[in-house]
Amino acid sequence: DSGVTQTPKHLITATGQRVTLRCSPRSGDLSVYWYQQSLDQGLQFLIQYYNGEERAKGNILERFSAQQFPDLHSELNLSSLELGDSALYFCASSVLGQGGPYGYTFGSGTRLTVV
Amino acid sequence: DAKTTQPPSMDCAEGRAANLPCNHSTISGNEYVYWYRQIHSQGPQYIIHGLKNNETNEMASLIITEDRKSSTLILPHATLRDTAVYYCIVRLPYSGAGSYQLTFGKGTKLSVIP
Repeated sequence: DSGVTQTPKHLITATGQRVTLRCSPRSGDLSVYWYQQSLDQGLQFLIQYYNGEERAKGNILERFSAQQFPDLHSELNLSSLELGDSALYFCASSVLGQGGPYGYTFGSGTRLTVV
Repeated sequence: DAKTTQPPSMDCAEGRAANLPCNHSTISGNEYVYWYRQIHSQGPQYIIHGLKNNETNEMASLIITEDRKSSTLILPHATLRDTAVYYCIVRLPYSGAGSYQLTFGKGTKLSVIP
């Protein structure tokens, strides 16, 4: 158990639908990152939140949005789903400090299948 | 961030040392080298990182060349559970700006053979 909790583990939904993926970061970590991993694209950074504020955006579609709540858990909302959105979605958290880098801790992912 | 080059795949016999190379010839002086691995469909797992000195932890050793243009991750006694995709990532240290995403390439698929 990495300490980063993602729910649900599996999700099957139809095209056009909306889903919410949830992530609870490791205790003490203020940053949450979302990544998408599809078969042909590898791990792609989507978005980062730090202590409730959006800090960086990557290759995130306009149909996708995220937020981080006061208790630091984060939700990734995917709407108007398309077949191509089928992928593994990973959440990672990290401690951000001054000076040196710190490793990420990833959750076990949510496998989204759009049918 | 500096670009990295890794072989797409490698085999290693069980019990032997696995040496995974990474080239990062455009690395800048204050960029760190990170290694992560991803065991089939699980979340990537942090292994080790370093700046210029060799590093060792309970999982692996990281050897960085003196000119810092390449590095080698060493798994001293590979087991079947080490079969995974290994990612070498070069990144600046956290600067206080609050953004610290990692860019994953295609990595090296290591297969440990019984």
